[in-house]
Amino acid sequence: GQNIDQPTEMTATEGAIVQINCTYQTSGFNGLFWYQQHAGEAPTFLSYNVLDGLEEKGRFSSFLSRSKGYSYLLLKELQMKDSASYLCAAVDSNYQLIWGAGTKLIIKP
Amino acid sequence: IAGITQAPTSQILAAGRRMTLRCTQDMRHNAMYWYRQDLGLGLRLIHYSNTAGTTGKGEVPDGYSVSRANTDDFPLTLASAVPSQTSVYFCASSVGGLDTDTQYFGPGTRLTVL
Repeated sequence: GQNIDQPTEMTATEGAIVQINCTYQTSGFNGLFWYQQHAGEAPTFLSYNVLDGLEEKGRFSSFLSRSKGYSYLLLKELQMKDSASYLCAAVDSNYQLIWGAGTKLIIKP
Repeated sequence: IAGITQAPTSQILAAGRRMTLRCTQDMRHNAMYWYRQDLGLGLRLIHYSNTAGTTGKGEVPDGYSVSRANTDDFPLTLASAVPSQTSVYFCASSVGGLDTDTQYFGPGTRLTVL
């Protein structure tokens, strides 16, 4: 079956760096998305990776290793507003999105 | 209207009643989607439409129906609501029908079926 695994919850300190991991098992692969979702709000797009490597976008970076079925989202200089859930979603061979359950990130002062 | 809107924001519904959740986008996106989000589970696709006039079934379509009469609107109907349909429902849209396109989500509808 198809599966996305990511930690349920993580805690980090304001100003620090945190890495949120995502492993995927899909029939075929056409890229991986990261979305941010604040409590009670809609998911919003953060990044899309289809090639191996690191893509940096301001304080947020996303990494992909297709051979390992692995991605991570790196958040630097954490701010209180980064407290949210981070959703990982892989695109399978049928171009369907397979969503993880999300990682709730708690930022402490 | 800017982006994608959903109505109602929340609803409490008696089991057995019919309910239509509304979704409208003004971005002229071809593709639209309906998801449900339950605690501890990922977003699950209910139905989708790659272009006006066409619809398709997602992962959890049973008990739900959709229509896509025009580009902007994509209503989701629960013909006879059951308590297991209690969830938060998100509508989304993307430029094209491929799931490598970024999806833009509406604010969601919180539905409780008693």
